[in-house]
Amino acid sequence: GAVVSQHPSWVICKSGTSVKIECRSLDFQATTMFWYRQFPKQSLMLMATSNEGSKATYEQGVEKDKFLINHASLTLSTLTVTSAHPEDSSFYICSAPFRGVGVEQYFGPGTRLTVT
Amino acid sequence: QKEVEQNSGPLSVPEGAIASLNCTYSDRGSQSFFWYRQYSGKSPELIMFIYSNGDKEDGRFTAQLNKASQYVSLLIRDSQPSDSATYLCALNRDDKIIFGKGTRLHILP
Repeated sequence: GAVVSQHPSWVICKSGTSVKIECRSLDFQATTMFWYRQFPKQSLMLMATSNEGSKATYEQGVEKDKFLINHASLTLSTLTVTSAHPEDSSFYICSAPFRGVGVEQYFGPGTRLTVT
Repeated sequence: QKEVEQNSGPLSVPEGAIASLNCTYSDRGSQSFFWYRQYSGKSPELIMFIYSNGDKEDGRFTAQLNKASQYVSLLIRDSQPSDSATYLCALNRDDKIIFGKGTRLHILP
């Protein structure tokens, strides 16, 4: 099946710093990727849609200036958490639709962010 | 009303029995539905998708969709301890996957 990777798998940073998370589709091209956030014992909440060659679209309530998204190529999207605070500590997961098989999404393995 | 609703559980089922997971959705126009399994600390993995009313079977898994009742279910036959996980019901909205909160399933050895 289609493979989506994320890097890093986990990161610890200090409050006030910025962290970049990469999402790559390894064996297919993705003009669109999605970023989710999951707090403990809660469901995945869609944060934004990353669009290759254009601006990302954000879900209601997500601060676009805090969560910067760049879809640099057909296989890479990055999420930068700027001026991170402890409340940003979460599990961040990206996904990409694999057009060859309906509209199923393939998920990356996730990035665990801890802000101290 | 949430777009996708699930009972959070936990649902405890003896090994070898049938586990039944249920989900309702609010948008009658939704067309595509998915069941994902998520182990603790891992990202979701797709188990099944269903687009048409009725049943769809894949190995030990059967997805059921009833669009009139806005209801989706997942049956797991011959439950195994490795099936213990959180099961997320999801639907496709404008190519975005919208998830329910998930049901924690615990298979009792």
